Amino acid sequence: DQQVKQNSPSLSVQEGRISILNCDYTNSMFDYFLWYKKYPAEGPTFLISISSIKDKNEDGRFTVFLNKSAKHLSLHIVPSQPGDSAVYFCAAGGDYNTDKLIFGTGTRLQVFP
Amino acid sequence: DTGVSQNPRHKITKRGQNVTFRCDPISEHNRLYWYRQTLGQGPEFLTYFQNEAQLEKSRLLSDRFSAERPKGSFSTLEIQRTEQGDSAMYLCASSLGNSHYEQYFGPGTRLTVT
Repeated sequence: DQQVKQNSPSLSVQEGRISILNCDYTNSMFDYFLWYKKYPAEGPTFLISISSIKDKNEDGRFTVFLNKSAKHLSLHIVPSQPGDSAVYFCAAGGDYNTDKLIFGTGTRLQVFP
Repeated sequence: DTGVSQNPRHKITKRGQNVTFRCDPISEHNRLYWYRQTLGQGPEFLTYFQNEAQLEKSRLLSDRFSAERPKGSFSTLEIQRTEQGDSAMYLCASSLGNSHYEQYFGPGTRLTVT
């Protein structure tokens, strides 16, 4: 039962262009969403989050959009840089029954020159 | 602020041996989480603590697994009678509060059971 899904295992984008990473969820109790970036042999690094009371949150080059009716969120990176090449995980939380985060399976982003 | 630290970073053990991992959270964080990550998957929740109280355990956490946070600071995760299926990256995270707060992860401990 995959409650958080990232259907694109990989994405390749040219430097300077926009990267769009997508995430879908099924549990309507989720009300807090986060994106993490992970390099090989390191733990996930927190990038940006959004509460369900918002539909957009922006931090520098990173913007997260939330569409609650579609149970969909996306991460936009503009402009993409080679250093952004990593695996990106979407995570959801806020179910009042638990404090754990539920993660998607990740999308590997490659930014090429 | 040195972030979340985990030791050891790598552990190779033979099947049937016991192993113990340590996690030191960010000092002011009262919540501490353990996750496990296998190849091609996202982190999967194992258990979490608020201060020294263990509030939830996943069904992934069989009776061979035990976690403690005796003084509400560092935590240990012990796996008894390791099996090859226990091979994974074990991640620790900490946060200031509940799941509406960001969880900050350590570098992980990679366990290989031969």
